[in-house]
Amino acid sequence: AQSVTQPDIHITVSEGASLELRCNYSYGATPYLFWYVQSPGQGLQLLLKYFSGDTLVQGIKGFEAEFKRSQSSFNLRKPSVHWSDAAEYFCAVGNTGNQFYFGTGTSLTVIP
Amino acid sequence: DSGVTQTPKHLITATGQRVTLRCSPRSGDLSVYWYQQSLDQGLQFLIQYYNGEERAKGNILERFSAQQFPDLHSELNLSSLELGDSALYFCASSVAGSGGRETQYFGPGTRLLVL
Repeated sequence: AQSVTQPDIHITVSEGASLELRCNYSYGATPYLFWYVQSPGQGLQLLLKYFSGDTLVQGIKGFEAEFKRSQSSFNLRKPSVHWSDAAEYFCAVGNTGNQFYFGTGTSLTVIP
Repeated sequence: DSGVTQTPKHLITATGQRVTLRCSPRSGDLSVYWYQQSLDQGLQFLIQYYNGEERAKGNILERFSAQQFPDLHSELNLSSLELGDSALYFCASSVAGSGGRETQYFGPGTRLLVL
C-alpha cells in the first residue's frame, strides 16, 4: 500500500536560515511526487512536482526538492527562509490509478 | 485565487443529518477531486470525477457520495452524519483525467461542523 511519511510535525527556523522538510514515501513503482503549501484558512497551493527526469526539481517561491529513489525520499529545501513561508507543508504521492496520498504535514514557524 | 470555488464556506449541522457541498472547477478543467482534512486523519483523498464519470476512489465512506454534472460542477453528499465527519472538505480540479501526473488546483474548502 502507498503511504507518505513526514517525520517532522513542527519545525521552527530563523528568518534567513536554510530549510529542509523531510518526506518519505512507500510505493512500488516510480511515484508522482508533490509538495503543497497551505496557509491558515486557505486551500493548498502546489509548490513543485516530480514525475520523471532530473531528480532535482525547482518550484515556486524559491523552493526545490530532490527525489532520491534509493532513500524513497523527496525532501523540500529552501536556502533562505522568509517570514511569509510560515505555513503547513504537505508532501503527496500519486499513482497511475489516479489516487493520491498525503503526508500528515509539517508546520513551519519562522522567527525573526 | 486558484479559480476553484466551493460553497458554502461553513456548515453547521446535527448528527444524522445530510448535507451537500458544492464545487465549481477552474474554467476548462474536466476533473474534480474531493478531499477530507481532519485533525486525526490528516488529508485524505475521497474521490475523483472526470467529465461526469467516476475515475478514482479513495477512502470514501459508503455514507458519502459524489457526482459531477454536465456543466462540470460537482457535489459531495454526506449523509447520516456523525461527529467524526466534522472536517474541512476540499475540492480540487485539474485539466484532464490523468490524475496522478496532473497539477491539482485546490479550492478554499468547506468547513463542516457536526454537533
